[in-house]
Amino acid sequence: KAGVTQTPRYLIKTRGQQVTLSCSPISGHRSVSWYQQTPGQGLQFLFEYFSETQRNKGNFPGRFSGRQFSNSRSEMNVSTLELGDSALYLCASSWAATGGISAEAFFGQGTRLTVV
Amino acid sequence: DQQVKQNSPSLSVQEGRISILNCDYTNSMFDYFLWYKKYPAEGPTFLISISSIKDKNEDGRFTVFLNKSAKHLSLHIVPSQPGDSAVYFCAASGTDKLIFGTGTRLQVFP
Repeated sequence: KAGVTQTPRYLIKTRGQQVTLSCSPISGHRSVSWYQQTPGQGLQFLFEYFSETQRNKGNFPGRFSGRQFSNSRSEMNVSTLELGDSALYLCASSWAATGGISAEAFFGQGTRLTVV
Repeated sequence: DQQVKQNSPSLSVQEGRISILNCDYTNSMFDYFLWYKKYPAEGPTFLISISSIKDKNEDGRFTVFLNKSAKHLSLHIVPSQPGDSAVYFCAASGTDKLIFGTGTRLQVFP
């Protein structure tokens, strides 16, 4: 069974540009969540999609957006990039809503975004 | 507002000894807790979990303890091995999202 796949693995962008990251969840998983990891901040929740609908959103500005397609693949977009957006962006999938039994989320390897 | 806190950013333990990683949470609505392990350049991998109806869960060398009254959970690794060196994240779930702590870097030395 293939794991969670994130592309690209590494990305360098210039301040002010926009970027789109992609996540393919484990087959059969309908929930996809996105997290930002920066040193000292742990994993900050961005948003979660379930069956093409955003169900939860973290405390990030509107420059961060996402979507999910009918095949459960998800994309995350960041517009007007700032230097502080440099981070590891992780995608996690699970077969159901997180919370409760079998709430384990399986993570991809992440996309390392560097904004210069 | 950090709902899940790991107050020790790092921990160093000798091989063969016990490693104890701690985690505190503030939201009493959390009902499911998980520990993840993360190596550099890899995504976190699920380690062990515990439901709020339990106070202990074991899986091999890993045991998680939950103290609901203190809103505290801990992960015990016995015996610790060099391969356990990684960053450990605790996470809590109440409705439909996981809230992670900031992580504790564990180093197991020979």
